[in-house]
Amino acid sequence: AQSVAQPEDQVNVAEGNPLTVKCTYSVSGNPYLFWYVQYPNRGLQFLLKYITGDNLVKGSYGFEAEFNKSQTSFHLKKPSALVSDSALYFCAVRDYGNNRLAFGKGNQVVVIP
Amino acid sequence: EAGVAQSPRYKIIEKRQSVAFWCNPISGHATLYWYQQILGQGPKLLIQFQNNGVVDDSQLPKDRFSAERLKGVDSTLKIQPAKLEDSAVYLCASRRIQGAQNTGELFFGEGSRLTVL
Repeated sequence: AQSVAQPEDQVNVAEGNPLTVKCTYSVSGNPYLFWYVQYPNRGLQFLLKYITGDNLVKGSYGFEAEFNKSQTSFHLKKPSALVSDSALYFCAVRDYGNNRLAFGKGNQVVVIP
Repeated sequence: EAGVAQSPRYKIIEKRQSVAFWCNPISGHATLYWYQQILGQGPKLLIQFQNNGVVDDSQLPKDRFSAERLKGVDSTLKIQPAKLEDSAVYLCASRRIQGAQNTGELFFGEGSRLTVL
């Protein structure tokens, strides 16, 4: 079964600094990878996905993620963090041919003004 | 385009009582999911429907949880009787079918927060 690891519970970053949220995954076949963001008392919002093609994927709100097959990683990045980026971020993976989307435990991102 | 609608947003019940949650997916989305999100954890799939048929309910505690999706649109998730450990946010999500490779993203509702006392 597929699984996702998000090793850090909380990521603190100063406003204007680069933001990185780490994710590693495990699947038996080719992965479909996703990042979602969750604001307080809200549902999850889709940010970006990797299906195939370029390893660098660009998504909403200036976020991007880099797929690294050898390291089985899909880290989320933003060049310059905003206070409004403070939220809970979830990485998720779906195995090719498997309908189930497995989520990581989430990372709380705190952007300090 | 209207998003995924869920109700109620909040529910407080005592253990052994029953509760039901309702979800209306985005129009045209054939696939519907119910997830359970316990505080501090990622969402866990409870059940997945495609149209009105069940695709995956392997993680649904069937002794107390049930779900249905009549007519392939709205869905209801029921818990009876509730236990303390059922306290969580119940998220409904939907997805438009895009070919056979399941590459499409899920669209989530705002969730129904259940507190069991």
